[in-house]
Amino acid sequence: NAGVTQTPKFQVLKTGQSMTLQCAQDMNHNSMYWYRQDPGMGLRLIYYSASEGTTDKGEVPNGYNVSRLNKREFSLRLESAAPSQTSVYFCASSDGWGYTFGSGTRLTVV
Amino acid sequence: AQSVAQPEDQVNVAEGNPLTVKCTYSVSGNPYLFWYVQYPNRGLQFLLKYITGDNLVKGSYGFEAEFNKSQTSFHLKKPSALVSDSALYFCAVRDLNSGGYQKVTFGTGTKLQVIP
Repeated sequence: NAGVTQTPKFQVLKTGQSMTLQCAQDMNHNSMYWYRQDPGMGLRLIYYSASEGTTDKGEVPNGYNVSRLNKREFSLRLESAAPSQTSVYFCASSDGWGYTFGSGTRLTVV
Repeated sequence: AQSVAQPEDQVNVAEGNPLTVKCTYSVSGNPYLFWYVQYPNRGLQFLLKYITGDNLVKGSYGFEAEFNKSQTSFHLKKPSALVSDSALYFCAVRDLNSGGYQKVTFGTGTKLQVIP
């Protein structure tokens, strides 16, 4: 009963470095999401995938790319990290009626 | 466009007292409403939801929420607060009647502090 698994849990990057955040769900959900959480701003949607094979931009997509590798996996890539991307990132999946969240990745860009 | 407002950044309540965390929403169609809770260094956990039916919805850990269509509100309540209820609470809405893909909009969160 893992639900939504995110890796890594913590990461420190230097400005300009790239990295990929991994997310996998075992609930056979069609939809998957990437959010960032910043103090005072709540959760902001970066990208989402309504179903396998599709991805769409959310509210704050700039500086990010995603890949829906298969039904289970949805990765988030930062090609050239910037300090403004310091945040806590959450992956979530949904069956259309409720969301299940991963435990988050705390990313610091220095 | 749909939106959610949580007007209080923080709510303080004494242990044993009733608590209310406020939420108002805006959708063009019928709302589908949620409350989630986030404990420190954890992801969001589902508390309860409203789709239709009884305006008073009961959820996990003794929480309940009251849907008020005329006031477009969905306030979270608990009759007797526990110190362990201290966490960050998020209200969320989805428009059931919007066409195409419907995503959920989250509020900015309210920090609940229960004082022993």
